[in-house]
Amino acid sequence: QKEVEQNSGPLSVPEGAIASLNCTYSDRGSQSFFWYRQYSGKSPELIMFIYSNGDKEDGRFTAQLNKASQYVSLLIRDSQPSDSATYLCAAMGSSASKIIFGSGTRLSIRP
Amino acid sequence: GAVVSQHPSRVICKSGTSVKIECRSLDFQATTMFWYRQFPKQSLMLMATSNEGSKATYEQGVEKDKFLINHASLTLSTLTVTSAHPEDSSFYICSARAMAGQVGQPQHFGDGTRLSIL
Repeated sequence: QKEVEQNSGPLSVPEGAIASLNCTYSDRGSQSFFWYRQYSGKSPELIMFIYSNGDKEDGRFTAQLNKASQYVSLLIRDSQPSDSATYLCAAMGSSASKIIFGSGTRLSIRP
Repeated sequence: GAVVSQHPSRVICKSGTSVKIECRSLDFQATTMFWYRQFPKQSLMLMATSNEGSKATYEQGVEKDKFLINHASLTLSTLTVTSAHPEDSSFYICSARAMAGQVGQPQHFGDGTRLSIL
């Protein structure tokens, strides 16, 4: 079982709709969770991080964390074609020594 | 804030050449730096973790004599690919984190180095 799991996609969402990206993690001791966006041929860039149960909003992005279910999600409202990218979910393990990345979900926003 | 600079952005060289890649944290002190490799359409693969002033910790299957990592200061880490061969061609990305172990401390990535060995 992978430590951080994501559906590889592609997830196709119409422009203007809400894109919902999901992630589960296996280390119950994980404390911090991160969402990165990676465009093709580029390095990942941090979108958000969350470490408390519940929702955290930043502009069009909302991260959701449910530690009981070991589930993290990222909602993108009013999706734009520029949101088309691979989204990486990551968790900082209980040892806090490194961040474990999922394999990413490819998101495609269709005009 | 939290800018990580990586150089060079692209390297094309002949087989057998050694290539050095630099990673600098510009506006914070990076207690820990990470080196990743990514092949086209594949996931990030962690190669090694380095803490300032100590030897790097390599992931299973990564040859430490092939990929030399130096983290001599809190703002600079280098990766040297020794005697590079075509199979070493890949996208190498460094990442840096300040104050390791604190809740919520993210990793910040450099722009990556695209290495092509002819």
